[in-house]
Amino acid sequence: GAGVSQSPSNKVTEKGKDVELRCDPISGHTALYWYRQSLGQGLEFLIYFQGNSAPDKSGLPSDRFSAERTGGSVSTLTIQRTQQEDSAVYLCASSRSGNTQYFGPGTRLTVL
Amino acid sequence: AQKVTQAQTEISVVEKEDVTLDCVYETRDTTYYLFWYKQPPSGELVFLIRRNSFDEQNEISGRYSWNFQKSTSSFNFTITASQVVDSAVYFCALNAEWETSGSRLTFGEGTQLTVNP
Repeated sequence: GAGVSQSPSNKVTEKGKDVELRCDPISGHTALYWYRQSLGQGLEFLIYFQGNSAPDKSGLPSDRFSAERTGGSVSTLTIQRTQQEDSAVYLCASSRSGNTQYFGPGTRLTVL
Repeated sequence: AQKVTQAQTEISVVEKEDVTLDCVYETRDTTYYLFWYKQPPSGELVFLIRRNSFDEQNEISGRYSWNFQKSTSSFNFTITASQVVDSAVYFCALNAEWETSGSRLTFGEGTQLTVNP
């Protein structure tokens, strides 16, 4: 596709359940990023992939959060045992290494 | 540590007015990149511009212009003759200090611009 795609666009879950968020980067982009946007915290960096490896995971807020990337393409962000404070919009971006990051439409996560 | 400050939380103007969105940044690096993104009500972050720290030339793109001043660590964004479609949240972002921050973007808090007809 022409841009970064994310699925689902909306996810409502119950507290304590696990969720998986998916990101499909722009074809040929080797770098992939996850950010979170919430009312109180603004836009926060979560994790960065270069190829399939994650040299920077320092933004993940707790060990309930994990992410992987396979084939240098699709990435999945997993949140285990979701809490209400995990409610946010999760944004994915991709770039050619070191260049401008292009963002997807985001996944709005609501934890009840 | 790097930081971006957008002091204007909300700005409201009437269509055709000019408006300037302020951005001030902090970094100890001499090489860095600055960005502006637009987030319309649909929610997607749209890239507007990228500047590197060695290029202080002002840039104009249609009704948009950017004023980068290293002396004041500012990268301000002006919309000339604003239109209702310009209503959005605008984010300024910084990419620097790669040894500690990697390739992440550090965002300001955003400025909500409302253009009224």
